[in-house]
Order: sequence, then structure tokens, then C-alpha cells
Amino acid sequence: NAGVTQTPKFQVLKTGQSMTLQCAQDMNHEYMSWYRQDPGMGLRLIHYSVGAGITDQGEVPNGYNVSRSTTEDFPLRLLSAAPSQTSVYFCASSYSPIGGEQFFGPGTRLTVL
Amino acid sequence: GDSVTQMEGPVTLSEEAFLTINCTYTATGYPSLFWYVQYPGEGLQLLLKATKADDKGSNKGFEATYRKETTSFHLEKGSVQVSDSAVYFCALIWGGNKLVFGAGTILRVKS
Repeated sequence: NAGVTQTPKFQVLKTGQSMTLQCAQDMNHEYMSWYRQDPGMGLRLIHYSVGAGITDQGEVPNGYNVSRSTTEDFPLRLLSAAPSQTSVYFCASSYSPIGGEQFFGPGTRLTVL
Repeated sequence: GDSVTQMEGPVTLSEEAFLTINCTYTATGYPSLFWYVQYPGEGLQLLLKATKADDKGSNKGFEATYRKETTSFHLEKGSVQVSDSAVYFCALIWGGNKLVFGAGTILRVKS
């Protein structure tokens, strides 16, 4: 049982490049989400999904796209990277749609030059 | 909107000292409250939670009590260890399943 896995661990992009951060979970959780972590700001919700085919925006969705074609996978796409997107990105999943513990992946550290 | 405020760090303590990390929240209704811990280089792990007023969450010697009258959820531990050095996040559930986090408090424990 691997839990929540994220790839890559580190990534450097140039401004304007696009890329996809991968997230997968093997716990059959319906709820998945993406957060970004910035110094002094805690974690902020980017997008979330309550099940395959259903996604919605969180607090800071601009510049990011998501899709959920399977229960296991929830990739995050940066369409045209900007220096403001330099951050650490965490994927999380939960067995419960309301109030349940969220399980976090190890994170992806992204630098946009 | 809903928000969480934590005491600023870093907090530096000697081993076996008493720990308190303050957390207060603003929310409509009655949120569930959480403490998450992030060890260096890792993702966040749930430390403890409380889902209603006067509930006490506890785990690994840490405790926090949901105080509705003061909208607080302070984290305490009677005797910290070097291995407790980490970043601690207070959080609440908003809108059913969307976590709102505080800024995090760095704890450093010296031997």
C-alpha cells in the first residue's frame, strides 16, 4: 500500500513552459485535492475532486487545470508557468467527503525561472 | 471567509519542556478542527482532530481541546523531544471537505 504518490519530486521550468504534476493513490479514496505551500502562508487549496469526472476550484485555481478520469489519478497541469507558481505542491486524498482525515503525498518542489 | 490564525514561530524549546502552540479560528457554523505535522522533507500527517465543541483530540502525547467560546484549538504537550521538531499546522474543514490551514509554526527542540 503506497498511499499517495507524487512525481516528480523536483522540477525546474522556464517561464511559459507547461508541465503536469502527477498524483496517484491506491486507497480507493473518492476525494482528492491539490495544495500549494508557500512560506508564511500555510497550504492553499488549488483544485479538488469528489470523484471520477468531477472537479472544482479551490482558493487559488488560476493558472492550473485538473482532470479526474480515474479514481486513482489526479494530475495537475500548469498551462504556462510563471515565477509566481514557484512553490511546493502537495496532493492529498480522503476516504470521506466530509471531515475525514486527508492523506498527503511527499510533495513536488517546483521552481519557475 | 473562514480562517485560521496560529502563533508565529519559530518556537525553540529544550528537551522535556512544555509546549503550547496557539491556534484560533474564524468560521461560520461549527467546523471540524485539526492539527497536522510536517517533518523535514515530508508531506503532512494528521496529528489529531476534534469534531465538536469540548472534544479533546490526542495522539503521541499531544493534546488539543475544541473551545467554542474562545474559538481556539491550542496544541499542548507536556514534555517535548528532539524528534518532535517539525512544522505544525492548525486547520479547519470548510465547505464539507476543503481544509483551511494556518500559516504553520516551526518547532525546534534542542537536546
